Amino acid sequence: DQQVKQNSPSLSVQEGRISILNCDYTNSMFDYFLWYKKYPAEGPTFLISISSIKDKNEDGRFTVFLNKSAKHLSLHIVPSQPGDSAVYFCAAENTGGFKTIFGAGTRLFVKA
Amino acid sequence: EPEVTQTPSHQVTQMGQEVILRCVPISNHLYFYWYRQILGQKVEFLVSFYNNEISEKSEIFDDQFSVERPDGSNFTLKIRSTKLEDSAMYFCASREDYSNQPQHFGDGTRLSIL
Repeated sequence: DQQVKQNSPSLSVQEGRISILNCDYTNSMFDYFLWYKKYPAEGPTFLISISSIKDKNEDGRFTVFLNKSAKHLSLHIVPSQPGDSAVYFCAAENTGGFKTIFGAGTRLFVKA
Repeated sequence: EPEVTQTPSHQVTQMGQEVILRCVPISNHLYFYWYRQILGQKVEFLVSFYNNEISEKSEIFDDQFSVERPDGSNFTLKIRSTKLEDSAMYFCASREDYSNQPQHFGDGTRLSIL
């Protein structure tokens, strides 16, 4: 099931710089997108989401951008901090369905 | 902040045995989910549950799997006859409602089949 793809398995960024994590999807029925962060030995933790009626949602250091025509979303973290080092999962679902599809995740390393 | 709790944190079971994984969702949540993550792979949807019945299930969720909400607080996943390939982290999640709300995840149960 490759409906949600995160093509970069890892990303390394210097502290204070911007981290950009990317996600592509293929199912045009998806209308709600989420980013989760996961530390080892813990469950995924919700970070930020965006509805398909928007193209940007911002929450503090985290901004998610949605480009529906390209079926692409990205998560921007500015400024990046060492505590942001984790695996980030992109997820997508469609209203009226009860199924969430996750990408494979991107491991972010923020170097001090 | 309320959280989803899962027990046990680690379950070791002989192949062919039945196993029950337990979850206590957040109390006012109405939608419940099970996911699994095989080591090094993506988080995979197994099943969603609402109003005391399965809402949707994946192709992974075959006749060996079942879910139940026996007492209004617990939400369980049963695997009837475990196989080696069932070894994975199993995550439970719950959601308050379906109108663009995120799911809240537990910390998972590591299931090891010997």
